[in-house]
Amino acid sequence: DVQMTQSPSSLSASVGDRVTITCQASQDIGNYLNWYQQKPGKAPKVLIYDASNLETGVPSRFSGTGSGTDFTFIISSLQPEDIATYYCQQYDNPPLTFGGGTKVEIK
Amino acid sequence: EVQLVESGGGLVKPGGSLRLSCAASGFTFNRYAMNWVRQAPGKGLEWVSSISSSSNYIYYADSVKGRFTVSRDTAKNSLYLQMNSLRAEDTAVYYCARARRYDILTGTDYWGQGTLVTVSS
Repeated sequence: DVQMTQSPSSLSASVGDRVTITCQASQDIGNYLNWYQQKPGKAPKVLIYDASNLETGVPSRFSGTGSGTDFTFIISSLQPEDIATYYCQQYDNPPLTFGGGTKVEIK
Repeated sequence: EVQLVESGGGLVKPGGSLRLSCAASGFTFNRYAMNWVRQAPGKGLEWVSSISSSSNYIYYADSVKGRFTVSRDTAKNSLYLQMNSLRAEDTAVYYCARARRYDILTGTDYWGQGTLVTVSS
């Protein structure tokens, strides 16, 4: 099974800050990676698919890079509405494993 | 507009059974693979099962293999999850999620709002 190691598990940043989250796969998954945003009590929302493609309607301050085993998710300028938990998920091989999540808070 | 609406959750005793449904609308259901993902209270996301558009390919998480069965009905535009031998650790919100294409290994795009399953005596 592919293990997804996501870090940090939580972070606190100021409005306008650049926020970086990483996800490392235990084996090469190509670019078969999604990034999700989940707000409390809500379903996850896809922000990035295939590692670097922005989902339709998602603000351009969100971006994703990487391939193989190392992936990065960036919020270029943190906004108050970005407070949420973010997850990565690989879909190269079943089981379609998720990272442990990163809770983003405002400082 | 793509819509996924889960139903069938509730309180069930350990060892009991429950059948979840996901009603799909706003897209051609038989052209997309589908997934079930769950989230235990206060925990992260856990993939449960996937089924291809044709039902030819089906996968399960080890934690549910042999107890859960995924299926789909094109005529009813619905996805199902039959859950047997339920355990306390199956307590979670269960989401259905559409894959991007007919193939399972394409990630997800649309998600339902989830249905809560509570396994407790």
